[in-house]
Amino acid sequence: DAKTTQPTSMDCAEGRAANLPCNHSTISGNEYVYWYRQIHSQGPQYIIHGLKNNETNEMASLIITEDRKSSTLILPHATLRDTAVYYCIVLINGGATNKLIFGTGTLLAVQP
Amino acid sequence: GAGVSQTPSNKVTEKGKYVELRCDPISGHTALYWYRQSLGQGPEFLIYFQGTGAADDSGLPNDRFFAVRPEGSVSTLKIQRTERGDSAVYLCASSLDVEPYNEQFFGPGTRLTVL
Repeated sequence: DAKTTQPTSMDCAEGRAANLPCNHSTISGNEYVYWYRQIHSQGPQYIIHGLKNNETNEMASLIITEDRKSSTLILPHATLRDTAVYYCIVLINGGATNKLIFGTGTLLAVQP
Repeated sequence: GAGVSQTPSNKVTEKGKYVELRCDPISGHTALYWYRQSLGQGPEFLIYFQGTGAADDSGLPNDRFFAVRPEGSVSTLKIQRTERGDSAVYLCASSLDVEPYNEQFFGPGTRLTVL
């Protein structure tokens, strides 16, 4: 599975959009981009995933560049409860295990 | 509905002892995963079950670690001769494991402390 690079930490003002970048320059054509987040003392929580088209759900939007070498997770109106570590993961859907390879993620701190 | 549950939530043991950690996945989920998370790190994959069988145990660090899922639902992670380095939060996740979608639902974890 391809490796990902994320900033260690980011700040965002409450009510503003949070834009979390991820580089995955070695991504393969059949690898999806997944985002999970982990709020303190809880298990990780799925947010969104995509292959090459931009995706949106009730939690966030995922923007994937045309060359698929990077992506951005957008939380449109960040709240204090969005403070968490955000993990960008690439993996093959329907692969042998679908195991998630977590990096160290980005600690997003939403400020009041 | 009920999510993934793990028991105990905390376990303190002494070096050299044997421990068992339990995971109850979401009903109907055929895939079950164990991960462990050390302080300041992301979760690290240990083992994956598809039904009753371990489809991928490549993440188990050594032969002191073993996991079972005899009836395809509840799973137990077993650690023999615990060492202080085994201290971590052990996370369990389950999923429907249907293509092309892989949303894993995580439990709250068991915090293991080896003294």
